[in-house]
Amino acid sequence: AQSVTQLGSHVSVSEGALVLLRCNYSSSVPPYLFWYVQYPNQGLQLLLKYTSAATLVKGINGFEAEFKKSETSFHLTKPSAHMSDAAEYFCAVSPPNAGNMLTFGGGTRLMVKP
Amino acid sequence: EAGVAQSPRYKIIEKRQSVAFWCNPISGHATLYWYQQILGQGPKLLIQFQNNGVVDDSQLPKDRFSAERLKGVDSTLKIQPAKLEDSAVYLCASSTGQFRGSTEAFFGQGTRLTVV
Repeated sequence: AQSVTQLGSHVSVSEGALVLLRCNYSSSVPPYLFWYVQYPNQGLQLLLKYTSAATLVKGINGFEAEFKKSETSFHLTKPSAHMSDAAEYFCAVSPPNAGNMLTFGGGTRLMVKP
Repeated sequence: EAGVAQSPRYKIIEKRQSVAFWCNPISGHATLYWYQQILGQGPKLLIQFQNNGVVDDSQLPKDRFSAERLKGVDSTLKIQPAKLEDSAVYLCASSTGQFRGSTEAFFGQGTRLTVV
């Protein structure tokens, strides 16, 4: 069984500030981990994924995440927030070799203040 | 390359009525998924198809929900009869279907269902 917990349903940062969105997972096997972004009235877009290669994963739009097995975490960061980063972010987990049978967290809404 | 197409974008029905959603995946994608996203929650996988066969439907409420993927391309998801708690966005996604490693799943814009 797998689960994902995203700490903080809402995060607010100022433009130019560090973005940190937290994700902790539970999995009985080494998982694959994902971050998706969802803009209003849009589908989900993959930001980045971890599939057992490098533990620091770089994605699109300047985002990156680090897989920390000891902490069962996969936090998403971006050094400098832009107004266009305002969206809902979802962390997800899937078993390895299971295609994309994703279990999502509850999401974190990122607000960026000018 | 065209993305995942879904229709309709919005649907409002009364409880106990039936409704159907349609999904056309990206050309050549063998795997198709239906997710339910209730407001304020993350998406929940309802059913996964590999070509026209069901891989996983463990979270599909089979007493009222049904899905099919005839010919391994388009898919329809039906709810009959609908309940108030079915109000959600129904997302369709597709991927190339490789089971070694992980391939990206591409999502459609979703169908927002409101049951009144």
